[in-house]
Amino acid sequence: QVQLQESGPGLVKPSQTLSLTCTVSGGSISSGSYYWSWIRQPAGKGLEWIGRIYTSGSTNYNPSLKSRVTISVDTSKNQFSLKLSSVTAADTAVYYCAREGELVVVDYWGQGTLVTVSS
Amino acid sequence: QSALTQPASVSGSPGQSITISCTGTSSDVGSYNLVSWYQQHPGKAPKLMIYEVSKRPSGVSNRFSGSKSGNTASLTISGLQAEDEADYYCCSYAGSSTFEVFGGGTKLTVL
Repeated sequence: QVQLQESGPGLVKPSQTLSLTCTVSGGSISSGSYYWSWIRQPAGKGLEWIGRIYTSGSTNYNPSLKSRVTISVDTSKNQFSLKLSSVTAADTAVYYCAREGELVVVDYWGQGTLVTVSS
Repeated sequence: QSALTQPASVSGSPGQSITISCTGTSSDVGSYNLVSWYQQHPGKAPKLMIYEVSKRPSGVSNRFSGSKSGNTASLTISGLQAEDEADYYCCSYAGSSTFEVFGGGTKLTVL
């Protein structure tokens, strides 16, 4: 059973960079053909797809966030990471890491971590 | 504003059936049979209920079904149960520039 766990600071100052890591257990992040994704949800609002990294290392990003987002993978630690630069209060949300077995088929989710952008 | 349009809320009584619509465009829902539906209970991570328009993952009740016509996908829940009360989100592939878009979500209330 694959499990994902987000970790990182819960509070980030405006204009700084939000950094989160997702640790995958129950399977190797480099085996199989999967996308490893980040999705966020502001309080009381809907889901927003941020981007993903494929097993091969290729990345896809939400066009509206592309200039600020970097997703990377560390296969030695079975982790993948999200960096979102120049954050504002609008970036305050619960951030989920997830696995996509096929396109838009998110079959495993982390529990989510709340990141608040505030000075 | 979400890329896919869902009704903000729907409701039904136990045992009844309800349908949630998800309207996109010819660039997403209308072009690909890559629509998924997720159920989210308060404070929990979403759960995959339907993928590729109408396929159910193992373990998901056959009371949940999906379909698509043109630019609109639909999720139908039959035999409503109290535990079905949750938020539901659709998601569609939108091509190699936009990639993935979610609907704004629909709150299902079981009366």
